[in-house]
Amino acid sequence: AQSVTQPDIHITVSEGASLELRCNYSYGATPYLFWYVQSPGQGLQLLLKYFSGDTLVQGIKGFEAEFKRSQSSFNLRKPSVHWSDAAEYFCAVGARSGYSTLTFGKGTMLLVSP
Amino acid sequence: GAVVSQHPSRVICKSGTSVKIECRSLDFQATTMFWYRQFPKQSLMLMATSNEGSKATYEQGVEKDKFLINHASLTLSTLTVTSAHPEDSSFYICSARGRGAGEETQYFGPGTRLLVL
Repeated sequence: AQSVTQPDIHITVSEGASLELRCNYSYGATPYLFWYVQSPGQGLQLLLKYFSGDTLVQGIKGFEAEFKRSQSSFNLRKPSVHWSDAAEYFCAVGARSGYSTLTFGKGTMLLVSP
Repeated sequence: GAVVSQHPSRVICKSGTSVKIECRSLDFQATTMFWYRQFPKQSLMLMATSNEGSKATYEQGVEKDKFLINHASLTLSTLTVTSAHPEDSSFYICSARGRGAGEETQYFGPGTRLLVL
């Protein structure tokens, strides 16, 4: 069974500092990989996704993520965090065979300090 | 592109009544829609998957007679919480994927906050 681990429940970053949110997955093959962001009381917005090809993926709002097969990781990064980035971030994986469901991590809450 | 809407955004109802939540894909054909439930400060819990024109597939532990799902068209799915009780109070989120939006990617609605008194 596939699983997703986001080891950090919450992270505090100073505005303007760099950010890295960790995501590790367990799956028999390379899955589809996603990062979503959720603001309080809102739905989830897709930040970026990895299906194949270049392992460094660019997303919206200045975010990027790097797929590392050897580490089963898909960490999310941003070089300079803005106060508006404060939100909950979810990593998710989906199987490549057929139209499968997504497995989500438990999420990482990002707090941005002034 | 790939916009999903939900209505209503929040609803308060009395215990024992039924509540219907709508999920619409606005700019693509949603061949598959998903319904999730999210408890405070927790991740999403998949309730069911519905394909257009077919019966929904419910996850283990989700009562199909209590959470009625209908996916009658390629742009609309509804979740009806029947005989709602206070323990059904939660944040319900739908997602959709399909033609014209990248069939492997789920796009999420803004969610519906349900409070049962």
